[in-house]
Amino acid sequence: KAGVTQTPRYLIKTRGQQVTLSCSPISGHRSVSWYQQTPGQGLQFLFEYFSETQRNKGNFPGRFSGRQFSNSRSEMNVSTLELGDSALYLCASSIDGRFSYNEQFFGPGTRLTVL
Amino acid sequence: AQTVTQSQPEMSVQEAETVTLSCTYDTSESDYYLFWYKQPPSRQMILVIRQEAYKQQNATENRFSVNFQKAAKSFSLKISDSQLGDAAMYFCAYTHSTGNQFYFGTGTSLTVIP
Repeated sequence: KAGVTQTPRYLIKTRGQQVTLSCSPISGHRSVSWYQQTPGQGLQFLFEYFSETQRNKGNFPGRFSGRQFSNSRSEMNVSTLELGDSALYLCASSIDGRFSYNEQFFGPGTRLTVL
Repeated sequence: AQTVTQSQPEMSVQEAETVTLSCTYDTSESDYYLFWYKQPPSRQMILVIRQEAYKQQNATENRFSVNFQKAAKSFSLKISDSQLGDAAMYFCAYTHSTGNQFYFGTGTSLTVIP
């Protein structure tokens, strides 16, 4: 079974631009979560999508948004980029059994650099 | 709110020796899951071990074991017979039993010295 894939792997943008990151979950996985990873901050939860609906949301400004398609693929968008948005953005998918734990399988991440 | 704390930003261990990574968490829930994830340099994060809060027995996966102290809200990872391939960033994570939001610690960077 193919793992979680993220595209692109690397991105360089300038302040004020917007960016869209893509995540394809493992086949059969219906939950997709997004995280921002920065040195010293660890992984900060952005949001989680399930069946095309945002089910959980972290404490990030509205410039960060996402969506999920009917095939469970997800995109994350950051508008009006700031220098502080430079980070590794990780996507993770899980099967989602609501009454059981859900191991999250991570993608390789997208390294975003904002100049 | 749930929080996960890893108080050791960096650790080192001699090859073949044993090392313990610390993690504490804060939650008011009684049913939850705890995880240790490993992130090797420039590689994908992978699950090392998981623990269900309702289980008193500590989880073990080959050379990896945990010391789960529910009352103290402590969840440490012990790596025995350390190998060079164990060098990575290790993250402790928490999720509620019916939730899909994971809370991660800030990570511990483990160096294995040959």
